[in-house]
Amino acid sequence: DGGITQSPKYLFRKEGQNVTLSCEQNLNHDAMYWYRQDPGQGLRLIYYSQIVNDFQKGDIAEGYSVSREKKESFPLTVTSAQKNPTAFYLCASSIEQSGNYGYTFGSGTRLTVV
Amino acid sequence: GNSVTQMEGPVTLSEEAFLTINCTYTATGYPSLFWYVQYPGEGLQLLLKATKADDKGSNKGFEATYRKETTSFHLEKGSVQVSDSAVYFCALLYNYGQNFVFGPGTRLSVLP
Repeated sequence: DGGITQSPKYLFRKEGQNVTLSCEQNLNHDAMYWYRQDPGQGLRLIYYSQIVNDFQKGDIAEGYSVSREKKESFPLTVTSAQKNPTAFYLCASSIEQSGNYGYTFGSGTRLTVV
Repeated sequence: GNSVTQMEGPVTLSEEAFLTINCTYTATGYPSLFWYVQYPGEGLQLLLKATKADDKGSNKGFEATYRKETTSFHLEKGSVQVSDSAVYFCALLYNYGQNFVFGPGTRLSVLP
């Protein structure tokens, strides 16, 4: 079955560490996205990529970095510069750049700073 | 700017009750409107969508009509089930080729 796989499901980070969240899709979708979800808030866009080797900052990109070396993969690195990284992170993809067919979401990674 | 406002939750209903979750939006131009559902511990799933005024999206007994005159996209279901318990997000897609704006979500709990 096609879909988006995020790993790990739970991740713990020590203060000052960088961690990388994996997102892989086998849907042959062009566009991929990273969102952050905090309790009681909607999703906020971190980064998005509409084609391979290109990505754009979203609304809250500070303290995060991404790469898009392959169409299938869009990993997110949470750096030590992100001061409040504890959140639920969602990866999504869309069949075309417009997003008008809606997004397919992964099942998320919950990151906790310990 | 572009924004989405949803009714505050949690919403608690008994099984077979009628559901309405209000959603209003502010946007320039003519956005597409979506409802997503998130079950506990999972990502979001597209529930339904409407791409122009007066369109009605429907899926799994849920419906929502794109009302441009009231800038609304309220979600309704005639008879909810316990399995409908989840968080529901209203979202708009503006500027064709750009990105979604999500509402804060409304948690629905359906009691047997």
